[in-house]
Amino acid sequence: GNSVTQMEGPVTLSEEAFLTINCTYTATGYPSLFWYVQYPGEGLQLLLKATKADDKGSNKGFEATYRKETTSFHLEKGSVQVSDSAVYFCALENTGNQFYFGTGTSLTVIP
Amino acid sequence: NAGVTQTPKFRILKIGQSMTLQCTQDMNHNYMYWYRQDPGMGLKLIYYSVGAGITDKGEVPNGYNVSRSTTEDFPLRLELAAPSQTSVYFCASSWGQGLNTEAFFGQGTRLTVV
Repeated sequence: GNSVTQMEGPVTLSEEAFLTINCTYTATGYPSLFWYVQYPGEGLQLLLKATKADDKGSNKGFEATYRKETTSFHLEKGSVQVSDSAVYFCALENTGNQFYFGTGTSLTVIP
Repeated sequence: NAGVTQTPKFRILKIGQSMTLQCTQDMNHNYMYWYRQDPGMGLKLIYYSVGAGITDKGEVPNGYNVSRSTTEDFPLRLELAAPSQTSVYFCASSWGQGLNTEAFFGQGTRLTVV
C-alpha cells in the first residue's frame, strides 16, 4: 500500500539554525512527492514537490531530494526564520490521483 | 483568484444534528477531496471525486455523504453529528494525473460537536 512516515515533533529551533525533517514513504510504482506547509489557522499550501527519482524540489530556501533507493524525501533548510514556524506535511500522490499525508511536524523557531 | 472556498469557517453542532459543509473551486479541476484533520493524526481522506457525478469512499467515510453534481461543487454532509466528528475539515482539488498533480486546499472548517 501507500503510506508516509515523517519525524515526530514538535521541533524547536533557534533562528538561523539548520532544519531537517525526515520523511520516508512506501508506495507501489513511481509516486510524486510533496511537502506542504500549514500556518496557524490556514489550509495547507504546497511548499515544494518532486515528480521522479533524483529530482530536487526547492522553494523559499527549503529543499528536498527524491531518493528512490532510500524511499525518502527529507526537508532541509540552511537557516530558519521565525516566519518558518508552521506545521509541515510530507505527502505522496500515486496512481488514481490519491494523496497520502504524513502526520505533520510542528516547527517553532525562536528568535 | 478564489481557488478552493469552504464555508462555514466555524460551526458548533449538537449531537444528532445535521449539516452540510460547502466546498467550491474555480480552477476547473476534475478531482476533489474531503479530508479531516485530527490533532497528531495528519489528514485522513473521507471521500473523493474524479469528476462530476462520480464519488468514492476514502479511508474514513462512515457518518458522511457527498455529492458532485457540478465540476465546481463538492459538498460534504453530516447526517447525525457525533462527538467523534469534532475535527477540522479540509476540501481540496487537483487537475489529475501528470506533472501538475498539486492539491489545492481550502482554509478549513472547524467543527465541534457537543
